[in-house]
Amino acid sequence: SQTIHQWPATLVQPVGSPLSLECTVEGTSNPNLYWYRQAAGRGLQLLFYSVGIGQISSEVPQNLSASRPQDRQFILSSKKLLLSDSGFYLCAWSRGRLDTGELFFGEGSRLTVL
Amino acid sequence: SQQGEEDPQALSIQEGENATMNCSYKTSINNLQWYRQNSGRGLVHLILIRSNEREKHSGRLRVTLDTSKKSSSLLITASRAADTASYFCATDGTGRRALTFGSGTRLQVQP
Repeated sequence: SQTIHQWPATLVQPVGSPLSLECTVEGTSNPNLYWYRQAAGRGLQLLFYSVGIGQISSEVPQNLSASRPQDRQFILSSKKLLLSDSGFYLCAWSRGRLDTGELFFGEGSRLTVL
Repeated sequence: SQQGEEDPQALSIQEGENATMNCSYKTSINNLQWYRQNSGRGLVHLILIRSNEREKHSGRLRVTLDTSKKSSSLLITASRAADTASYFCATDGTGRRALTFGSGTRLQVQP
């Protein structure tokens, strides 16, 4: 069966510090991978998606970047965090077409920037 | 930008009652999905309805889709306290590269 892991689950970072959130998927190959951000009590904002190694598409210009160094690994990074980067970050994967497949989500990483 | 918008934003009912949540969207879609999120957790897929379907059932869930009104509803029958969660609709569409989620309905089921 397929599983998705995200870490760390929670972190508190000062403004201007770097960020690295990691996501790995097990039990499937060549998944589509996504990073979403959820502000408190709000919906999900798509940040990045990837259809393959090294292929990253950004939906929103911002302070964040993403990388896919391996088929089932997706990393969200920032060189210098802003207060507005606080939120709940969710990694997800899907099969097949980007826009029609069921998404399988990780448990999320809660980031607080102080 | 948000494609789907849920209504109401929050809903509080008693156990055993039915809960109805609505989703409106703006552009043509191929399918619409509903997801559930327990507080502080990831989202879990509930049901997918295709644009050529009008109604779909899964256990206590009933989803309808009206493409002429660009709207969908999720009905949870005989609600339980364990149904307490946020519910989101998500839509795809021509040219859109990934699912777009609404802002969600927070459902509270009182025991």
